[in-house]
Amino acid sequence: GNSVTQMEGPVTLSEEAFLTINCTYTATGYPSLFWYVQYPGEGLQLLLKATKADDKGSNKGFEATYRKETTSFHLEKGSVQVSDSAVYFCALSRAGAGKSTFGDGTTLTVKP
Amino acid sequence: GAGVSQTPSNKVTEKGKYVELRCDPISGHTALYWYRQSLGQGPEFLIYFQGTGAADDSGLPNDRFFAVRPEGSVSTLKIQRTERGDSAVYLCASSSRDRGNTGELFFGEGSRLTVL
Repeated sequence: GNSVTQMEGPVTLSEEAFLTINCTYTATGYPSLFWYVQYPGEGLQLLLKATKADDKGSNKGFEATYRKETTSFHLEKGSVQVSDSAVYFCALSRAGAGKSTFGDGTTLTVKP
Repeated sequence: GAGVSQTPSNKVTEKGKYVELRCDPISGHTALYWYRQSLGQGPEFLIYFQGTGAADDSGLPNDRFFAVRPEGSVSTLKIQRTERGDSAVYLCASSSRDRGNTGELFFGEGSRLTVL
């Protein structure tokens, strides 16, 4: 079956530090890959996505590249801010298959 | 442009009681999903509706859990004879499953269920 493995947290960084959160997946076929973010007190929301190999998704300074050869979709940001403190979830979805599969989430805390 | 709405936001009940959780998806979204999220874990799939019918209910843990979407819009998740292990945040999401859609989900804020 499909599965997503995320780097375990929590992750604590100082403001302006470089962020990487690792994500690898197992899936049949060619899934779409997503990063969702959950800010304190809010629901999950889409951060970025990529739908095919070598695509790069980007939003709010975050980037992730769909690497089929390593089955990875690592999340990066060059300079984090306090407002980036949240829980980040990696997920995959196969077109036409309905459900999405999520990782267990990585909690990021950014200190001023 | 309302988002996905879930009620109640918080529900405390006693073991053995019956519970209903409601989800109102984004207008026009044909696909509706229920997930369950326990502390420290990612959302766990329960059931997926396409229109009025359950297209995939493989995630429902047992026959105490049931969900309906009679008119293809609002959905209700029903839990009978609740157990302490059912305590979790129940998330509802909707999406547009038009051709070319890549599966992006729009989530509500969840219903936190606590079974005492």
